[in-house]
Amino acid sequence: EAGVAQSPRYKIIEKRQSVAFWCNPISGHATLYWYQQILGQGPKLLIQFQNNGVVDDSQLPKDRFSAERLKGVDSTLKIQPAKLEDSAVYLCASSLGGTGVNTEAFFGQGTRLTVV
Amino acid sequence: SQELEQSPQSLIVQEGKNLTINCTSSKTLYGLYWYKQKYGEGLIFLMMLQKGGEEKSHEKITAKLDEKKQQSSLHITASQPSHAGIYLCGADGWGGGYQKVTFGTGTKLQVIP
Repeated sequence: EAGVAQSPRYKIIEKRQSVAFWCNPISGHATLYWYQQILGQGPKLLIQFQNNGVVDDSQLPKDRFSAERLKGVDSTLKIQPAKLEDSAVYLCASSLGGTGVNTEAFFGQGTRLTVV
Repeated sequence: SQELEQSPQSLIVQEGKNLTINCTSSKTLYGLYWYKQKYGEGLIFLMMLQKGGEEKSHEKITAKLDEKKQQSSLHITASQPSHAGIYLCGADGWGGGYQKVTFGTGTKLQVIP
């Protein structure tokens, strides 16, 4: 079974530039998560999709971050414009999801973003 | 919102020694996950615990959820260099009818040969 695919693995941009990350979840997984992990901290949930609908984006800085999940499969996360404090690893994860059911999430390798 | 506190924050052990990592929640745990992360990479799922008193083992790693379901421990027996990494606990929360997973700050483990 193929895992969660993310690209690119690494990205270096200058502040105020734009950047986009791509995620392909495990086939059949309804729930897709984007997490931001700053060095030395645990992952922080940015946005969660159930199929192609957003169920939680309470911690997404909406003035600069946006995300979409077209057709309930692949997802992209965009930052525009980037700030120095956006330097982090961006993790995508997916799970079977569903209501009333605890299911483990599977993570991609992450994209390490450095803003200079 | 649910907060998870892990202790210790970092740990250095000699190869062959046993160690324990703790995860304490501010609220009742309905699902608790343990993951391992290599620096700068994705998280690898280790175990999921749901019932109070539940204990699971995989190779030399054992995790337990206490009866009150507010604390979990991860125990490694006879540690090896391959056990080195960051261990994260994650907790299930439910918002709007959907599963949400929040994470602790992690415990960094170094194993010295």
